[in-house]
Amino acid sequence: GDSVTQMEGPVTLSEEAFLTINCTYTATGYPSLFWYVQYPGEGLQLLLKATKADDKGSNKGFEATYRKETTSFHLEKGSVQVSDSAVYFCALGRQGGSEKLVFGKGTKLTVNP
Amino acid sequence: GAGVSQSPSNKVTEKGKDVELRCDPISGHTALYWYRQRLGQGLEFLIYFQGNSAPDKSGLPSDRFSAERTGESVSTLTIQRTQQEDSAVYLCASSLGGSVNEQFFGPGTRLTVL
Repeated sequence: GDSVTQMEGPVTLSEEAFLTINCTYTATGYPSLFWYVQYPGEGLQLLLKATKADDKGSNKGFEATYRKETTSFHLEKGSVQVSDSAVYFCALGRQGGSEKLVFGKGTKLTVNP
Repeated sequence: GAGVSQSPSNKVTEKGKDVELRCDPISGHTALYWYRQRLGQGLEFLIYFQGNSAPDKSGLPSDRFSAERTGESVSTLTIQRTQQEDSAVYLCASSLGGSVNEQFFGPGTRLTVL
């Protein structure tokens, strides 16, 4: 069945550092891919998504490119801020059927000033 | 105009008791999902509603778990004869449905079974 694997955390960075959180998936066909973020004390919210191969999702300075050849959707940001401290979840979903999301285990990011 | 709401926010119960968790989706969202997040784990899908029918119940871990939904509104997840392994955060999400639309999540209910 479908699965998502993301890098284990926690990840601790200094402000303005470059961020990469790796995410790979196992799925047949062409799922849609998502990054969700959970800020401290808040609910999960969509950060960005890509629905087909080679699409790049972007939001709030974060980017991820849907790479079918490597079955990856790595999250990147060029310069992190303290306010980016959160737990990040990679997920996949399929159009049709239940459209449920399959999530990775999450990666906790802490950015220090 | 509010987001997805869930109640209670926290629930502590004794092993063997039944619990009900409630979800109020965003108005107009036809699709509703329940997920579970155990400590140190990712979110596990439990059940999906489209309107008040549940075409995908494949994630319910046992027959102690059930859920219902009234029209395109409130949903209740019931866990009977709770066990310690049921301790988790239960998350509800809703979406417009029809394709892989953004799912909007509630704040969750933290269930602790003693």
